[in-house]
Amino acid sequence: KAGVTQTPRYLIKTRGQQVTLSCSPISGHRSVSWYQQTPGQGLQFLFEYFSETQRNKGNFPGRFSGRQFSNSRSEMNVSTLELGDSALYLCASSLISAGTDTQYFGPGTRLTVL
Amino acid sequence: LAKTTQPISMDSYEGQEVNITCSHNNIATNDYITWYQQFPSQGPRFIIQGYKTKVTNEVASLFIPADRKSSTLSLPRVSLSDTAVYYCLVGPYSGAGSYQLTFGKGTKLSVIP
Repeated sequence: KAGVTQTPRYLIKTRGQQVTLSCSPISGHRSVSWYQQTPGQGLQFLFEYFSETQRNKGNFPGRFSGRQFSNSRSEMNVSTLELGDSALYLCASSLISAGTDTQYFGPGTRLTVL
Repeated sequence: LAKTTQPISMDSYEGQEVNITCSHNNIATNDYITWYQQFPSQGPRFIIQGYKTKVTNEVASLFIPADRKSSTLSLPRVSLSDTAVYYCLVGPYSGAGSYQLTFGKGTKLSVIP
C-alpha cells in the first residue's frame, strides 16, 4: 500500500507570496492532518480534515488554511508569506481520526521564505 | 491542553536499554499517549501507544504510572539505527468534539558504537 505523499518536496517563495501544498493520504484513510515543524517550536498541529470538513484547528493565524477533497486528498494554503513561515510542513493521514488512530506521516514539504 | 516536556537529548551505547521520559502534568482523562520516531528528512513514524500501566510491542515498551502525569518509552538494546528524534504526543482517544494534538519538543537520541 502506498504511503502518504506530499508535493512539492521543496519550495522557495518570497515574503508576501502565497503557497499551496498538496497531500495524498493512504488509500482508505479519511482523516488528514497538517503540522508545521521548525527547530525552535518543534511539531505544531495546524488542522485536521475529515470528510471535506475541518474537524480541528491549532493556534495558527487565518493566513493558514486548508481543504479536503472528496477523494480525501488535502491541500494547505499559506497566504501573505512571512519569513517565520519557513518550515517543514508535514501531512499525516489516519483511518478516521488523528486523535484515535495511528497517524502516518508523509516526508514533508520544505518551505523556505526569502 | 496537555503540555509535554521531554529531555532535549540523550546519548547511549549500542546494546544498552534506553528510557526516555515525557512529563504531561495536565493530561486529560480521555488522552492517550503516543510515541513517534523521526529520522532526518522523514516524517515521524508511530512506535507505540498507551493509556495506562504497561504496553509492549515488538520494538518498544511504554510505562505509564497510575497518575498518568508522565510516561516512559523504553527501547531495549538500541543499535546505531535507533539514532533519531523521539516525540511524545498526548491527545484524546475519542474523535468526538474538538481536540488538539500536542507534540513534545522531542528527544534527540544518539547511539554511540
